[in-house]
Amino acid sequence: AQKVTQAQTEISVVEKEDVTLDCVYETRDTTYYLFWYKQPPSGELVFLIRRNSFDEQNEISGRYSWNFQKSTSSFNFTITASQVVDSAVYFCALSERNAGGTSYGKLTFGQGTILTVHP
Amino acid sequence: ETGVTQSPTHLIKTRGQQVTLRCSSQSGHNTVSWYQQALGQGPQFIFQYYREEENGRGNFPPRFSGLQFPNYSSELNVNALELDDSALYLCASSLGPGVPNSPLHFGNGTRLTVT
Repeated sequence: AQKVTQAQTEISVVEKEDVTLDCVYETRDTTYYLFWYKQPPSGELVFLIRRNSFDEQNEISGRYSWNFQKSTSSFNFTITASQVVDSAVYFCALSERNAGGTSYGKLTFGQGTILTVHP
Repeated sequence: ETGVTQSPTHLIKTRGQQVTLRCSSQSGHNTVSWYQQALGQGPQFIFQYYREEENGRGNFPPRFSGLQFPNYSSELNVNALELDDSALYLCASSLGPGVPNSPLHFGNGTRLTVT
């Protein structure tokens, strides 16, 4: 069964610090998709980034970057120069094919990491 | 572009009652998924609807049921409510199960409290 583990329950940083959120996943599928979502106090899950299992190129998008390492099943997410507005719960999620191999309907989420950025 | 909207935002029910939650998908999206998020936990997949049919289900009992309408909106019904059903229920829409890297777009959720 697929599983996502976010070992960091809570992280606290001061504004402008860089912060990395760790994510480790388990899957038996060879094709899968990884996502990071942000959940502010309003409750809505906001999509941040995604990565395909067959593309290990790491990228930077604004203040966000991610490090995908298939060999260690890790998909870490970094926020550079953190801001108070980055305070939220961050979820890593894994999407893989269903039993019939026809769709990717289900996301498996980690437990979430609470990030607090202090001014 | 209209986002995902859910109603109601908050709901209080008594154990044993039935509840219906509603969701309107983002324009252009034909697939709706429902998730349950208990306090302090990550969301758990309940089921997904595509073309008005259930297209995958998580580990939830049959008293959790759903519908999708021709306009792609959806309902989540929960019968015989239990105290453990208290949670934030999130609806998400996407382009379809055949578009694997299509991210889910979530609504703000319905906070259900069962007393």
